[in-house]
Amino acid sequence: GEDVEQSLFLSVREGDSSVINCTYTDSSSTYLYWYKQEPGAGLQLLTYIFSNMDMKQDQRLTVLLNKKDKHLSLRIADTQTGDSAIYFCAESNNFGNEKLTFGTGTRLTIIP
Amino acid sequence: NAGVTQTPKFRVLKTGQSMTLLCAQDMNHEYMYWYRQDPGMGLRLIHYSVGEGTTAKGEVPDGYNVSRLKKQNFLLGLESAAPSQTSVYFCASRGDLQGALYDSPLHFGNGTRLTVT
Repeated sequence: GEDVEQSLFLSVREGDSSVINCTYTDSSSTYLYWYKQEPGAGLQLLTYIFSNMDMKQDQRLTVLLNKKDKHLSLRIADTQTGDSAIYFCAESNNFGNEKLTFGTGTRLTIIP
Repeated sequence: NAGVTQTPKFRVLKTGQSMTLLCAQDMNHEYMYWYRQDPGMGLRLIHYSVGEGTTAKGEVPDGYNVSRLKKQNFLLGLESAAPSQTSVYFCASRGDLQGALYDSPLHFGNGTRLTVT
C-alpha cells in the first residue's frame, strides 16, 4: 500500500525559514497536500499541489515537489510563533472518492 | 457555524467496556470519515460513509462499528474496548462528490481522546 514518511520533529528560530520534508511511495499520486494541526484541534488544509507541478507559492508558504524522487517539501518563510503546530503531508491518487494517506506528522517548534 | 462537532472530548474506559463516539456536521456534507491518530503513525482511516445509510471499511476497521442513520451524524462504536484502541479519534466530512479535496477540503472535528485501561 501507499506509504508517506516525515521526520517527527523540527525546531526553528523565530524569523528563520522552516523546511518540512515528506517522502511518499505511490508513483500514481495525483494530489499532495499539507495539513496543519494546532494543539487541541483537528487538521486544517494548508495548501496543496498537483503532481504535474514542481512548485507552488502562497504568501509565506512554498511547496516543492520532486516527482522523480517522490519528495515533497513545505517551506515557511519568516517563521512565527503562531506556526507552531504539527504538519501532515498527505497524498491521494483517486479522483472522486478521494481517500487520503497521511504521513506521520512533523511537530514544528519555534525557538524565540 | 459549528462545522464538525465531536462528543465526548475525553473518555476513559476499562477493557471490555463499550462506548459510542458521536460526530455531527451541519454543512450538509455527503462524505464522513473516522480516523484515529497515534504518535508517530499519522492518521489512519477506520471507516467512512459516502451518504446516509452507507458505510465502508477503511484501513484499520477491526474492533469498530459505524452507523450513518442520518446524513448529519456518523457514529463510531467500540463494542469491547481494548488498550490498543487508546488513541485520539477524529471525525471529518466533505461535500462535493465531484471535486478534488482542494475544492472541497476535509473539515475536521477537534477530536476525542480515548484512554482504555
